[in-house]
Amino acid sequence: GESVGLHLPTLSVQEGDNSIINCAYSNSASDYFIWYKQESGKGPQFIIDIRSNMDKRQGQRVTVLLNKTVKHLSLQIAATQPGDSAVYFCAENKGNTGFQKLVFGTGTRLLVSP
Amino acid sequence: EPEVTQTPSHQVTQMGQEVILRCVPISNHLYFYWYRQILGQKVEFLVSFYNNEISEKSEIFDDQFSVERPDGSNFTLKIRSTKLEDSAMYFCASSEEQGYRSGGHFGPGTRLLVL
Repeated sequence: GESVGLHLPTLSVQEGDNSIINCAYSNSASDYFIWYKQESGKGPQFIIDIRSNMDKRQGQRVTVLLNKTVKHLSLQIAATQPGDSAVYFCAENKGNTGFQKLVFGTGTRLLVSP
Repeated sequence: EPEVTQTPSHQVTQMGQEVILRCVPISNHLYFYWYRQILGQKVEFLVSFYNNEISEKSEIFDDQFSVERPDGSNFTLKIRSTKLEDSAMYFCASSEEQGYRSGGHFGPGTRLLVL
């Protein structure tokens, strides 16, 4: 499941720092957005989601911000830990029927140093 | 915590051969999906499936592809005559609710290599 070969933007942080990963989406009609974490050899793992009628949503150590004006999504990870090292993808739902037809972004590689 | 499982983890096949990729979704989930990730590229939607029929499919999902839920637990993706460009990581996902309310649970993937 790794994105080997992708020339991913990389964010390198120290353990304990806060991380911010950004994503631009394409369709102003998309109504649902999700952040996934993908570790090497594994499938995408759901982190947090947000509907288009919200600007912010918080989870455990993670916050997603949605700016519909500029079609921008960000994921904030507080007190980043080495276990957070992975590739992070944003995805937007473009399904016509309400079913999940996610369009994934390119991804950002997060490297956390102890 | 229940997980989506996929078999095999790796599959190597000759061009033109048929392959079947298998998935066991989470048991109480009703919505099923296949995605793929070609090496070096983004994760791409292939198909969604509900109530024993395809709900939506992408342009990638042409006549060479088919999906089936042969029994109460398995969900399969068949590629009838594989091409070199079918080489990719194939992910199965399932969700309990309608997709736009759920991010879905992804399996670990099957890496398909077509020679």
